[in-house]
Parts: sequence; C-alpha cells; structure tokens
Amino acid sequence: SQTIHQWPATLVQPVGSPLSLECTVEGTSNPNLYWYRQAAGRGLQLLFYSVGIGQISSEVPQNLSASRPQDRQFILSSKKLLLSDSGFYLCAWSVQGRGAGRGTEAFFGQGTRLTVV
Amino acid sequence: AQSVTQLDSQVPVFEEAPVELRCNYSSSVSVYLFWYVQYPNQGLQLLLKYLSGSTLVKGINGFEAEFNKSQTSFHLRKPSVHISDTAEYFCAVTKRDYGGSQGNLIFGKGTKLSVKP
Repeated sequence: SQTIHQWPATLVQPVGSPLSLECTVEGTSNPNLYWYRQAAGRGLQLLFYSVGIGQISSEVPQNLSASRPQDRQFILSSKKLLLSDSGFYLCAWSVQGRGAGRGTEAFFGQGTRLTVV
Repeated sequence: AQSVTQLDSQVPVFEEAPVELRCNYSSSVSVYLFWYVQYPNQGLQLLLKYLSGSTLVKGINGFEAEFNKSQTSFHLRKPSVHISDTAEYFCAVTKRDYGGSQGNLIFGKGTKLSVKP
C-alpha cells in the first residue's frame, strides 16, 4: 500500500531563517506531488505541484520554492522566512496519468505546523 | 478555471441531529468533486468522491453527498451525527480531463462542524 511521510510535524523558526520541509511517498512510482498551505480561515492554497523529477510548477508567487530531487521526494524550502509564511503545510500525492479514475484524488500527509516568530 | 464556495464557515449541531454542509462549484468544464475531512492538526482524509454515474455518492463514516449539475452543488449530508464527527470539512474540485485528471485539487475554505452533546 502507498504511504506518505511528511516531517517535521511542528516547527518554530525565527524570521529570516531558512526552511526545509521534506515529503516522501512509498509504494508507488512517478506520482504527482503537491505542496499546499493552509492558513486560518483561508482554506487550502496550492503552492507547488510536480509531475516528475526536476519538474516544478508554481501556483502563486511567494517566498518559497520546491524541488523534486528524486521520484518520490518533494522538498519545500525558503532562504529567509517571513512572518506571513506561518501556517500548516500539507504534502500530497496522486496517481499520474490519464484515463478513467486516474489522478482523480490526492492523498495527504499529516502536515507540518510552521510558526515563524 | 474552477472555484469552490462553501457557504458556511461554521456549523454547530447537536449530537444525533442531521447535518448538511453546503458546497457550490463553478467551472466551464466537467469536473470531479470531493469531500475531505480534517481532524485537528492532521492531514486531510477523503470522505467521498463523485466521478460519474449515480449522483448520490456514499462515503465513509455514514456521510453521503449528492451531485446536482443544474445547481452546480455537491452538498454533504449525514442523517445522525456523533461527537466524533467534529472536524473541518473541505469540498474540492478537479478538472475532468480525457477521463482522468492532473489531480490539481481546488479547495473551498472549509466548514467547521461542531457536534455538541
């Protein structure tokens, strides 16, 4: 079965410090990978998605970047955190490819609560 | 582009009462529809999904939703709620593409369901 791991679960970082959040998926190959951010009262905002190694699409301009160094690894980074980067970050994956029922839903990790102080 | 509106940010209800969480979507193309549940400080878990066929979809934990194309709605219902149903619920949509999808879910802002004894 497929599993998704995301760490750390919680993180408190000072303004201006760097960030690295990691997500890995097991039990599947060539998944679509996603980073979402959830801020209070604002739902889930798609930050980045990736359809393959080194292929990253950014949905919103921001202080963050993403990388996919391996097929099942997705990393969210920042060189200098801002207060506004605080939030709950969720990694997700979906089955890639077209055809009935493929890629229709995303499976989420447990999330990382980031507090920038 | 697709969008999702969840009309109620908070829904308080007494235990064993019925509940309906409303969701409306906007899209110029055919879509797949989903409901996810999020318990505090956890990731999202899929409750149910509508891909095609019967417009009444049954999911886990006794929830069901009905797709209404003319009203562009996908309301979530449960005939009798439990304290354990207290959580945040998200409606989501993704574009139907050649029978499958790229899986880029667009989420509503969520509805917090609070079940009181």
